[in-house]
Amino acid sequence: KAGVTQTPRYLIKTRGQQVTLSCSPISGHRSVSWYQQTPGQGLQFLFEYFSETQRNKGNFPGRFSGRQFSNSRSEMNVSTLELGDSALYLCASSPDLNTEAFFGQGTRLTVV
Amino acid sequence: AQSVTQLDSQVPVFEEAPVELRCNYSSSVSVYLFWYVQYPNQGLQLLLKYLSGSTLVKGINGFEAEFNKSQTSFHLRKPSVHISDTAEYFCAVSDLTGKLIFGQGTTLQVKP
Repeated sequence: KAGVTQTPRYLIKTRGQQVTLSCSPISGHRSVSWYQQTPGQGLQFLFEYFSETQRNKGNFPGRFSGRQFSNSRSEMNVSTLELGDSALYLCASSPDLNTEAFFGQGTRLTVV
Repeated sequence: AQSVTQLDSQVPVFEEAPVELRCNYSSSVSVYLFWYVQYPNQGLQLLLKYLSGSTLVKGINGFEAEFNKSQTSFHLRKPSVHISDTAEYFCAVSDLTGKLIFGQGTTLQVKP
């Protein structure tokens, strides 16, 4: 079984731009979560989707949004990028609610 | 609200020596507990999990952890480490919403 796939792996954007990151979960998994990892703040929960519905949201500004498609693939979008948005964005999938999460390799976003 | 404290930011240890990485959590509800490992420029890999049942949990790569409800701890142990175990280790707690709360991480440095 293929693991969680995140694309792209690396991205460089300019302040003020917007970006869309993609995540393909493990086949059969219905829950997808997103996390931001930075040296200063560590790993922080962004949001979780289950069956195309956002079930849980972390404490991030509205510039961060996401969605999940009927095939469980998910995208997250960050608008009006700030330098502080530079981070490793990790996607995780779970087979169902309240089960363990399996992480992708992450997308390294650098905002210049 | 849940929180996780990893008591050591760095743990240096010689190859073939035993190691313990400490994790304490706080929660007012029942939780699931996890340990993840992250190698440089990689995502998170699940080492082991405690959902219920036996308090001694065995994971991959020879790691094990013990859930202690009275001390709200979930320490990770390995009887004999290898150079390849050098990585960052994260303890995480999840309530029944599926959101993971991570500790700040412990860098395990295995020296030859």
